[in-house]
Amino acid sequence: DTEVTQTPKHLVMGMTNKKSLKCEQHMGHRAMYWYKQKAKKPPELMFVYSYEKLSINESVPSRFSPECPNSSLLNLHLHALQPEDSALYLCASSQGHLGRWNYGYTFGSGTRLTVV
Amino acid sequence: EDKVVQSPLSLVVHEGDTVTLNCSYEVTNFRSLLWYKQEKKAPTFLFMLTSSGIEKKSGRLSSILDKKELFSILNITATQTGDSAIYLCAASNAGGTSYGKLTFGQGTILTVHP
Repeated sequence: DTEVTQTPKHLVMGMTNKKSLKCEQHMGHRAMYWYKQKAKKPPELMFVYSYEKLSINESVPSRFSPECPNSSLLNLHLHALQPEDSALYLCASSQGHLGRWNYGYTFGSGTRLTVV
Repeated sequence: EDKVVQSPLSLVVHEGDTVTLNCSYEVTNFRSLLWYKQEKKAPTFLFMLTSSGIEKKSGRLSSILDKKELFSILNITATQTGDSAIYLCAASNAGGTSYGKLTFGQGTILTVHP
């Protein structure tokens, strides 16, 4: 299995809803990432988890809450989002070894989120 | 602040043309330069370049990195309409010992007309 699987593929939610995005990989990668991509813009890093620990939070608002329950799963919990949060949310993973990092990234197909 | 700049931002060509996409970077603790092709969904991996001067090839695509001048180019020969996409360049740094951080350029929108 050489894929990163994201669900759902599309999500429409109201500003008062709570929803979660899910990401799964079975490549044994120990670093997992959330990126946000607005239309016609490059992906922007949100969070990095390394060995199930949050390593980077790029000053993301608290209405986005990441969770890494185990080495294969990464969730992004959403609450009280704003219409401007509508975007493509991309999950990625990379192989990590203490002291040596394989720099190849694998992206999931993304969740297209619309906040109404 | 880490920065990746791509040029041109958009390019329109006809099938059979050859194109060269440019990417310059300024990244602390630079480790590698990656090229991705993005159509409607997630970016798909093209190349990862770590060493200067070694050309990587995949079919009609090739890429090379110059770590002294801090840039990379992506060449596409004999372009086809299926090459139409956004081409993203990203520089990775060693954010930690077991993960890296990608900084993306703005992308080059390539349109290939029949």
